[in-house]
Amino acid sequence: GAVVSQHPSWVICKSGTSVKIECRSLDFQATTMFWYRQFPKQSLMLMATSNEGSKATYEQGVEKDKFLINHASLTLSTLTVTSAHPEDSSFYICSAPKGGESTDTQYFGPGTRLTVL
Amino acid sequence: AQSVTQPDIHITVSEGASLELRCNYSYGATPYLFWYVQSPGQGLQLLLKYFSGDTLVQGIKGFEAEFKRSQSSFNLRKPSVHWSDAAEYFCAVGPTFTGGGNKLTFGTGTQLKVEL
Repeated sequence: GAVVSQHPSWVICKSGTSVKIECRSLDFQATTMFWYRQFPKQSLMLMATSNEGSKATYEQGVEKDKFLINHASLTLSTLTVTSAHPEDSSFYICSAPKGGESTDTQYFGPGTRLTVL
Repeated sequence: AQSVTQPDIHITVSEGASLELRCNYSYGATPYLFWYVQSPGQGLQLLLKYFSGDTLVQGIKGFEAEFKRSQSSFNLRKPSVHWSDAAEYFCAVGPTFTGGGNKLTFGTGTQLKVEL
């Protein structure tokens, strides 16, 4: 199966700093990637759709200036949490569909645990 | 708007016993339906999916799910659970209309515990 990696797997930062999370599709190209946020004991909430070569599409209620997304290549999308605060602490997961159809299977990264002190 | 309900937050079964995890969805038409499993330290892994055709879908690791349109359900089953099946299970729906992309809506998950 396809592989999606995330880096780092966990990060601790001070309040007010920015943190960048990388999502890579290792053995396939992904023109679209998705970023999710998962709180403890809760489901995955879609934050935004990352589009290669164009602006990301954010879900309602997600601050685009706080969660900066860059999809610079067909295998890499980054999520930068700017001016992080403790309430941004969460588990961030990316996914990428392999192929070009709506029936494509999405492959998920292992997630990044962000803790903001 | 589409939504997914997983009524059981936690389920405990004995190893070797059968398993059924419930999933109900709300959607304007028949959506694409998925079951994923999440283990600690690992990404979500697709167990099976339903797009059309046979309503009984076979997946990996001995799992199967049955789509029942009349009940808006897509329950996951396994005849004999193994200790390694202990994990979090998520049901998800995806849009079927053109331009809907691959955006998935997830249920809240069911935590499966397996007693030896």
